[in-house]
Amino acid sequence: GAGVSQTPSNKVTEKGKYVELRCDPISGHTALYWYRQSLGQGPEFLIYFQGTGAADDSGLPNDRFFAVRPEGSVSTLKIQRTERGDSAVYLCASSPLAALGSEQYFGPGTRLTVT
Amino acid sequence: GDSVTQMEGPVTLSEEAFLTINCTYTATGYPSLFWYVQYPGEGLQLLLKATKADDKGSNKGFEATYRKETTSFHLEKGSVQVSDSAVYFCALSAPGQAGTALIFGKGTTLSVSS
Repeated sequence: GAGVSQTPSNKVTEKGKYVELRCDPISGHTALYWYRQSLGQGPEFLIYFQGTGAADDSGLPNDRFFAVRPEGSVSTLKIQRTERGDSAVYLCASSPLAALGSEQYFGPGTRLTVT
Repeated sequence: GDSVTQMEGPVTLSEEAFLTINCTYTATGYPSLFWYVQYPGEGLQLLLKATKADDKGSNKGFEATYRKETTSFHLEKGSVQVSDSAVYFCALSAPGQAGTALIFGKGTTLSVSS
């Protein structure tokens, strides 16, 4: 079956612009996670959705970052007033349920470059 | 807070050599432990996992044992192949962690030559 997909695969934007990154999880997966991976680092947690609601957004670095999942499937990560420090690969993962030990399935990521 | 520390790379080996990538963790409670792998040009994928102390996860010839007494989850393979060249990430999810979100180490790059 189809895996997690993310669009666009690459995004180049100018400092100060607004960007949206999209994630299509595996069908039927209720848990959805966003991570950010900077060069040479492991992914870092940003936000977690259980269904439609953001169950935990404690990893979002500041209020320029926001994410939605209005119908409990597709999610969009939104970044306002982008800064060069936002440049990274943004990863989305989904899981059938948010239980300890459950496997998360990752998308290929969106590489964001802020110039 | 919870964290994962893994050995820095790159690790460079010849084909058929023995591989160990060290991973230690700090966590409250009883976390689940994972190794994820990222092959060149591909996304992260689960390699193996262990959910309780003394469990051994295994897949594709790789093994790791959940050692609570040493808070470790070292990855091993007896004979590496060129196709094992990738970046390996140790990770944990802990009780109380946001929806069991994963906490990752920095990754270890493995390069295997023929």
